[in-house]
Amino acid sequence: AQKVTQAQTEISVVEKEDVTLDCVYETRDTTYYLFWYKQPPSGELVFLIRRNSFDEQNEISGRYSWNFQKSTSSFNFTITASQVVDSAVYFCALGNSGGGADGLTFGKGTHLIIQP
Amino acid sequence: EAGVAQSPRYKIIEKRQSVAFWCNPISGHATLYWYQQILGQGPKLLIQFQNNGVVDDSQLPKDRFSAERLKGVDSTLKIQPAKLEDSAVYLCASSLRGAGTRSYEQYFGPGTRLTVT
Repeated sequence: AQKVTQAQTEISVVEKEDVTLDCVYETRDTTYYLFWYKQPPSGELVFLIRRNSFDEQNEISGRYSWNFQKSTSSFNFTITASQVVDSAVYFCALGNSGGGADGLTFGKGTHLIIQP
Repeated sequence: EAGVAQSPRYKIIEKRQSVAFWCNPISGHATLYWYQQILGQGPKLLIQFQNNGVVDDSQLPKDRFSAERLKGVDSTLKIQPAKLEDSAVYLCASSLRGAGTRSYEQYFGPGTRLTVT
């Protein structure tokens, strides 16, 4: 069975601070995909990144960066110089690859509050 | 490019009544998913379609939930009869994924918020 754990239920930081959201996953598959989604107060899930299990390179996109470590089954997300607009619930998710079902298994989410 | 469309946005019903939700995926997306998101939790997959065929419905409570995607485009999710614990946001997502291809990112609609009283 697949499982995603986001141990941080809520994080509150002051604007311009850096913040890291943790994600730990469990799967028996050798090929899989990891995702991060943002859910702002409006409720719509916004896709941020997809990473496959064979690519352990870290990725940076503007103020966002992701650290994938297969050895610890973690896929952490860092926001540098946080802004109030980053306030949202962030979900880490795990999906299968290859043919067949690829519905996502989500963690419970981390509510990020950026205070001005 | 238009995103995933869902309707209605909100619905309030009494327990034991029936309700239906509609989803129109992004044009050209072969795969469609329905998720249930209970307050304070992450979304949970209910059913996955590829074109008009069901790929995975292992977590769909089939005694009361049903879904169809007859022409491989729009989809309808129905609950009959509803229970109090069905109160949640029902999210539809779509992806480019075709048969035998790798997984793609899923794009989500705004959801339908269902309240069962």
